[in-house]
Amino acid sequence: ILNVEQSPQSLHVQEGDSTNFTCSFPSSNFYALHWYRWETAKSPEALFVMTLNGDEKKKGRISATLNTKEGYSYLYIKGSQPEDSATYLCAFFAGGTSYGKLTFGQGTILTVHP
Amino acid sequence: NAGVTQTPKFQVLKTGQSMTLQCAQDMNHNSMYWYRQDPGMGLRLIYYSASEGTTDKGEVPNGYNVSRLNKREFSLRLESAAPSQTSVYFCASRLSGLSSYNEQFFGPGTRLTVL
Repeated sequence: ILNVEQSPQSLHVQEGDSTNFTCSFPSSNFYALHWYRWETAKSPEALFVMTLNGDEKKKGRISATLNTKEGYSYLYIKGSQPEDSATYLCAFFAGGTSYGKLTFGQGTILTVHP
Repeated sequence: NAGVTQTPKFQVLKTGQSMTLQCAQDMNHNSMYWYRQDPGMGLRLIYYSASEGTTDKGEVPNGYNVSRLNKREFSLRLESAAPSQTSVYFCASRLSGLSSYNEQFFGPGTRLTVL
């Protein structure tokens, strides 16, 4: 079983705060790292797919970085807004003989207070 | 396009009953996945089908079977339901192929309760 860990498990911030959370994953058999945003009562939606060591992706106030050599990715939210409240999931996409298998971390629950 | 659809949305079973959860996608995706979501556990992969004609076990396959009926449809069967299978089940699909780095698209989920 692949070990994909996210920290912290939950986070409460005030509107306007910037925040970040971590995803750690195996450094072997890496193919891609996905980030998803999951709002309550909805289905997860993709934020980023990251593939290369040193990758940086940005979408509005949300950005992510990737370090495949040491097996971690950071997700940053600048100037958090209440609508950013959601669970943020990372998922490790394996290559090699397990190609196609996507293993999710347990998620970071973000609550942004007005 | 409907995207990924799942039926039923809700289901209550008694222990020992069987049922099949249906999933279909109209995006011409190659890969399809079944996950279960339990409190504090995130999404756990039950089975996946990297391409039509293939299926592989995920992290928690025990008690489940799958069928990749065609490129569009991927069903999940519970042969003898147990209370431990009470969960929300998500189907997902992904356009795949050599050197493709595409994201998954998720269905709306099926909430299953086993009494």
